Amino acid sequence: GAVVSQHPSRVICKSGTSVKIECRSLDFQATTMFWYRQFPKQSLMLMATSNEGSKATYEQGVEKDKFLINHASLTLSTLTVTSAHPEDSSFYICSAGDWNSPLHFGNGTRLTVT
Amino acid sequence: KQEVTQIPAALSVPEGENLVLNCSFTDSAIYNLQWFRQDPGKGLTSLLLIQSSQREQTSGRLNASLDKSSGRSTLYIAASQPGDSATYLCAAPADRGSTLGRLYFGRGTQLTVWP
Repeated sequence: GAVVSQHPSRVICKSGTSVKIECRSLDFQATTMFWYRQFPKQSLMLMATSNEGSKATYEQGVEKDKFLINHASLTLSTLTVTSAHPEDSSFYICSAGDWNSPLHFGNGTRLTVT
Repeated sequence: KQEVTQIPAALSVPEGENLVLNCSFTDSAIYNLQWFRQDPGKGLTSLLLIQSSQREQTSGRLNASLDKSSGRSTLYIAASQPGDSATYLCAAPADRGSTLGRLYFGRGTQLTVWP
């Protein structure tokens, strides 16, 4: 069964609103989670590293004030897309792991901003 | 910065053929390299993880090789089946020397196996 659960799988929102995406590790504690974005026919692009109990580390070019990441527990990280615009429409995927376990990926969230 | 390239971008073959998918990476100081499968609109399924100390890994009909010196990896699929149709992604760690962490992905090879 799935070891990383991502919710919601699909979301449609209006421009200017905020959307929260959850990533949960189901049967292990994930000290580190990663967030990726995938545009159509493009590869997965790493957005940020989420560390439990500390601030996220963002990749170059990713706006930290727009993509808020919270990793308050060892089983949950959230990505909030603030003031979403149509260009933020994408497929967002999280992965979770610990230093003693391989990375597991969620099933992704399809975000459409109208 | 690590860059990962995959060729071909797409491949369409009849059932039963043996296939080779190619991946190249620019920074050879990697601890491992991974191959994933992605079905349309879905997340990723890990297929094979090759440690830098290994030259290849096998799982069923899949075999992946790693040549760090040349910055290349290949995924070999034997006796392909329609169920193998998916996008295959190669990923290398972004961090030099990282064993687990940020991954840089290639664009993938979209494989179609027809009956």
